[in-house]
Amino acid sequence: GAVVSQHPSRVICKSGTSVKIECRSLDFQATTMFWYRQFPKQSLMLMATSNEGSKATYEQGVEKDKFLINHASLTLSTLTVTSAHPEDSSFYICSAREPGTPSSYNEQFFGPGTRLTVL
Amino acid sequence: KNQVEQSPQSLIILEGKNCTLQCNYTVSPFSNLRWYKQDTGRGPVSLTIMTFSENTKSNGRYTATLDADTKQSSLHITASQLSDSASYICVVRHYGGSQGNLIFGKGTKLSVKP
Repeated sequence: GAVVSQHPSRVICKSGTSVKIECRSLDFQATTMFWYRQFPKQSLMLMATSNEGSKATYEQGVEKDKFLINHASLTLSTLTVTSAHPEDSSFYICSAREPGTPSSYNEQFFGPGTRLTVL
Repeated sequence: KNQVEQSPQSLIILEGKNCTLQCNYTVSPFSNLRWYKQDTGRGPVSLTIMTFSENTKSNGRYTATLDADTKQSSLHITASQLSDSASYICVVRHYGGSQGNLIFGKGTKLSVKP
């Protein structure tokens, strides 16, 4: 199956700093990637849809100026948490759709996640 | 409101036993339903995907069922192993929405004990 990687797997930063998380599709090209956030014992919550070569589409309640998304190539999307605060501490997961999967399935492959801790 | 409810919230079973996890949804219009396995601190891994015309699908020791009329699904795990300990998430795709329009359940945390 398709492989999606994330880097770093975990990061600890001081409040007020910015953190960049990378999401890569390793063996396929993804025109669309998705960024999720998951708090302990909660569901994954979609933050934004990242489209290669265009602006990301953010879900309601997600601050686009705080969570900057760049999808500069067909295999890489980045999420930058700007001026991070302790409440931004969470598990961030990206996913990508493998081209060619039946549209009725719309399979998404998830990355391993990035644990962000803001002190 | 589009929702996915899973039960039980958590489950402990002995190694080698079978178990069944439940998922009820109110997502409409429905496109497909997926079951994912999420190990602690890892991203979800797909187990099965079913459209409304499919009422059962197997992946090794995992068998998912779907009743589109009652909007219920189940995931049956046979002969459980210690490595099955994880959260199992039911996810329903809302038809006609964006590609990211997935509705996630909160998951069932399964613990398999020796």
